[in-house]
Amino acid sequence: EDQVTQSPEALRLQEGESSSLNCSYTVSGLRGLFWYRQDPGKGPEFLFTLYSAGEEKEKERLKATLTKKESFLHITAPKPEDSATYLCALFYAGNNRKLIWGLGTSLAVNP
Amino acid sequence: EPEVTQTPSHQVTQMGQEVILRCVPISNHLYFYWYRQILGQKVEFLVSFYNNEISEKSEIFDDQFSVERPDGSNFTLKIRSTKLEDSAMYFCASSLSGSTDTQYFGPGTRLTVL
Repeated sequence: EDQVTQSPEALRLQEGESSSLNCSYTVSGLRGLFWYRQDPGKGPEFLFTLYSAGEEKEKERLKATLTKKESFLHITAPKPEDSATYLCALFYAGNNRKLIWGLGTSLAVNP
Repeated sequence: EPEVTQTPSHQVTQMGQEVILRCVPISNHLYFYWYRQILGQKVEFLVSFYNNEISEKSEIFDDQFSVERPDGSNFTLKIRSTKLEDSAMYFCASSLSGSTDTQYFGPGTRLTVL
């Protein structure tokens, strides 16, 4: 059973068309949930850390939220440069330091 | 802004050969990690390293793999006898503290085993 599931797998938006990416998890005892951006052939670039349900973090056009079973990455008025794969990863109780990853959402923003 | 660096960016090797992937973590970070990502698959944890010893490793990290901090700045991953299925992107990461601290990743080394 997948512990971290991201949806949709791929998303194509027009510039300015807001949307949300989902990361759902089945682990117990979440210790931290991380959002990363990954450009093709590059390493994951850190975006946000969320530690408890109800927490929200915001940076430019991106906003991350966390509930007890999922996290959302909201993208407001995206631009073509936001095109990338967005990865979700987490730590849970008894599994610190070993990030468990989702497969990612590949986002394409058309001008 | 401090960043994790990795060399080489691409390594091509023959099956059965040894390879060493190199990383320079962020200078004041104390915890170091290796992950790999096979094309089209999830990022997978390999090993974490602190205070000159392995603190955790996955089932993937078998006797063919080893890690070392040979000096005050480098962190290396050695694969002793490469297999075709070792072909992947290998990412080094570092964090200031352990536990649930944010891990910062390098650009990766693409390993191709022929």
